[in-house]
Amino acid sequence: NAGVTQTPKFRILKIGQSMTLQCTQDMNHNYMYWYRQDPGMGLKLIYYSVGAGITDKGEVPNGYNVSRSTTEDFPLRLELAAPSQTSVYFCASSTNGNTEAFFGQGTRLTVV
Amino acid sequence: QKEVEQDPGPLSVPEGAIVSLNCTYSNSAFQYFMWYRQYSRKGPELLMYTYSSGNKEDGRFTAQVDKSSKYISLFIRDSQPSDSATYLCAMSAHEGGGADGLTFGKGTHLIIQP
Repeated sequence: NAGVTQTPKFRILKIGQSMTLQCTQDMNHNYMYWYRQDPGMGLKLIYYSVGAGITDKGEVPNGYNVSRSTTEDFPLRLELAAPSQTSVYFCASSTNGNTEAFFGQGTRLTVV
Repeated sequence: QKEVEQDPGPLSVPEGAIVSLNCTYSNSAFQYFMWYRQYSRKGPELLMYTYSSGNKEDGRFTAQVDKSSKYISLFIRDSQPSDSATYLCAMSAHEGGGADGLTFGKGTHLIIQP
């Protein structure tokens, strides 16, 4: 059972470039989330989804977009990368909400 | 005042010691409390989950919640070098998710010395 899979694991972007962080889960979870983790700052919620076709903003959504066309996939899009988006990004999923979220291994993104 | 306060450490203790990790919070609406363990360069993994006040034990781990004091704790008995990791507290007002998501502490870096 793969759980939550994120790709890529590492990426270096130049300012202004765009990219998509991929996230897929094979647990048939309805809820999916994107968090970012900055050093010494804990995890902050970027976007979340309660099911296919439904997404909503979290605490720090500016500069990001998401889509949820299937139950399994929840990609995160950065359109115009900025140095402030240098962070580790975690995707997570859960069955009925936040009480037991399963996290992926993270994508370490550097914007230079 | 930040919603969740957690001492970042590092906290260094000898193998076999009892470890106490703590978080305080300000939002009285929080009802669901979790502890996640995160090894270096890995994603967080759920250790303990408790609802409302009380204690919960799982092997060497005990989670305590005191809602009246807005204070939660994680105790690790007979600590092992493999327990060395960052421990994140997390909490939520809603079981069913929502815009708040999980509110995380900054994490405590724990080092168990062999």
